[in-house]
Amino acid sequence: EIVLTQSPGTLSLSPGERATLSCRASQSVSSSYSAWFQQKPGQAPRLLIYGASSRASGIPERFSGSGSGTDFTLTISRLEPEDFAVYYCQQYGSPPYTFGQGTKLEIK
Amino acid sequence: EVQVVDSGGGLVHPGGSLRLSCATSGFTFSDYGMNWVRQAPGKGLEWVSYISDSGNSMYYADSVKGRFTISRDNAKNSLYLQMNSLRAEDTGVYYCAGRFIYWGQGTLVTVSS
Repeated sequence: EIVLTQSPGTLSLSPGERATLSCRASQSVSSSYSAWFQQKPGQAPRLLIYGASSRASGIPERFSGSGSGTDFTLTISRLEPEDFAVYYCQQYGSPPYTFGQGTKLEIK
Repeated sequence: EVQVVDSGGGLVHPGGSLRLSCATSGFTFSDYGMNWVRQAPGKGLEWVSYISDSGNSMYYADSVKGRFTISRDNAKNSLYLQMNSLRAEDTGVYYCAGRFIYWGQGTLVTVSS
């Protein structure tokens, strides 16, 4: 099983700032089959990024993903008030399709 | 408009069974691999199971292997999860997700005596 470790656990930033979230895998993720999700309280997760760097439909350009192998990054270039939420990375290259433990992005 | 509606959750005693359903519309269901993902109260996301578009391939998390069975009916655009031998640690909101793009609203399963 591929274990995903996200850092930091909590990130405190202000609107307008840049956010960088990290995800490290215990072994290489095949074909960069990694994804990022956003989840707000009481809502289902929303796919932001797939294939490590491709934005899902309707996702604003301020969200970008990068990385390969064992290290992946989600960057939000300029935070909007609606971006404060919990973010999860995931690998879907090798079953079981594991999630990271999440990073909570909170308003400073 | 895409719609994904999860149902079938409820309160069940330990050792009991429950069958979850996921009704979909607005996308070509038979072209999508489907997943169940769960979330325990106040916790993170846990992938539970996957079934291929044709239904020929299924995968399970170790925590549910041998107890849960995923299935689909492409004629009815529907996904199912049969859950047997339920445990307290199976408690949570269960989401149906098509290729992790289309998600249901979730259905709450509570396993308690």
